[in-house]
Amino acid sequence: NAGVTQTPKFQVLKTGQSMTLQCAQDMNHNSMYWYRQDPGMGLRLIYYSASEGTTDKGEVPNGYNVSRLNKREFSLRLESAAPSQTSVYFCASSEARGLGYTFGSGTRLTVV
Amino acid sequence: AQKVTQAQTEISVVEKEDVTLDCVYETRDTTYYLFWYKQPPSGELVFLIRRNSFDEQNEISGRYSWNFQKSTSSFNFTITASQVVDSAVYFCALNEDSNYQLIWGAGTKLIIKP
Repeated sequence: NAGVTQTPKFQVLKTGQSMTLQCAQDMNHNSMYWYRQDPGMGLRLIYYSASEGTTDKGEVPNGYNVSRLNKREFSLRLESAAPSQTSVYFCASSEARGLGYTFGSGTRLTVV
Repeated sequence: AQKVTQAQTEISVVEKEDVTLDCVYETRDTTYYLFWYKQPPSGELVFLIRRNSFDEQNEISGRYSWNFQKSTSSFNFTITASQVVDSAVYFCALNEDSNYQLIWGAGTKLIIKP
């Protein structure tokens, strides 16, 4: 079972470039999430999708957009990358709020 | 406000020692969920345990055990007879039933020396 699959695993962008991080889950989970992890910190929620067709802002949404393409897929877009967006990004899914969260392997993004 | 505090930034012990990682949380909700995750040097996040606020029973899983005490808002994690493979960053996290956000502590880096 693949669980949560994120692509790409690594990416280097120049300031101002755009990119989309892809995430797909095969567990039929309703909820999906995008987190970022900065050095010495826990994860912070960027956006989430409680169910197919809905998206909501998390703690640090500025500079990002998301799309819940279908129940399986939840993408994160950086329209104009900034050095402050250098981070490790994790996608996660859960069957429902409060239940176990399954995380992807992460995307290490560097903006120069 | 919801908050998770892991006061121990880094712990270093010699293999086979027991070690306890502390987690203190703050929440106004009566229904909430607490989690522990392990992040080894490879970077993935590995789920260890979930506990809801109505279940204060301690849990043991092999060398791992968890002590949940609502009276002190703590959810501590103990590794017995530590092994080098236990070296990782361990995160405690809180999910209030009233929202979707998982609030994370800053993590405790555990170093097990051979």
